[in-house]
Amino acid sequence: LAKTTQPISMDSYEGQEVNITCSHNNIATNDYITWYQQFPSQGPRFIIQGYKTKVTNEVASLFIPADRKSSTLSLPRVSLSDTAVYYCLVGGRSSYKLIFGSGTRLLVRP
Amino acid sequence: DTEVTQTPKHLVMGMTNKKSLKCEQHMGHRAMYWYKQKAKKPPELMFVYSYEKLSINESVPSRFSPECPNSSLLNLHLHALQPEDSALYLCASSQPGGDRGRREGYNEQFFGPGTRLTVL
Repeated sequence: LAKTTQPISMDSYEGQEVNITCSHNNIATNDYITWYQQFPSQGPRFIIQGYKTKVTNEVASLFIPADRKSSTLSLPRVSLSDTAVYYCLVGGRSSYKLIFGSGTRLLVRP
Repeated sequence: DTEVTQTPKHLVMGMTNKKSLKCEQHMGHRAMYWYKQKAKKPPELMFVYSYEKLSINESVPSRFSPECPNSSLLNLHLHALQPEDSALYLCASSQPGGDRGRREGYNEQFFGPGTRLTVL
């Protein structure tokens, strides 16, 4: 399974756009890129998933370049409630194994 | 119902005790998971059940014993635990890999709130 590398932590302010980049140099052809969010003492929550180019949903966008060796999670206009740990994962659609990397601790300040 | 429930929320047990963690989902998911998460660390996969059969055991010590009585329930039986087993235990469920879920993305796992376990 491809290993991921993310920044350990990021700081932002309310209303700003936050971009968290994840490196996954060994991503396999059939791997998808998935992001989860986790608040303290809660289980992770699925945010977004993509294979290539750009995916957007109601909470985030995911940008994936052509070589797929990295991806960027974009959170528009963050609020204090977006303070959480964000995990980038790669894996095949048929895989049960979610291998969580170290994650990025995002702190949103007033 | 898009919720995974776990009981109890908190559990304190001695090293000689036997206890069980319970997990329930009513989303029709046929894959269920146990994860262990230590403080400030990512979740680590322990077990995967697919169609009520144990599919993956990530070399977990035998003092942890999973059980899947039916498609909605998942238990984790605990016996003779060590203090280092203290952690947040998370249950999750999903459609089995390759199935075309409804609005769910593939590999999307739905997590419960966890059981905070303390072993004295």
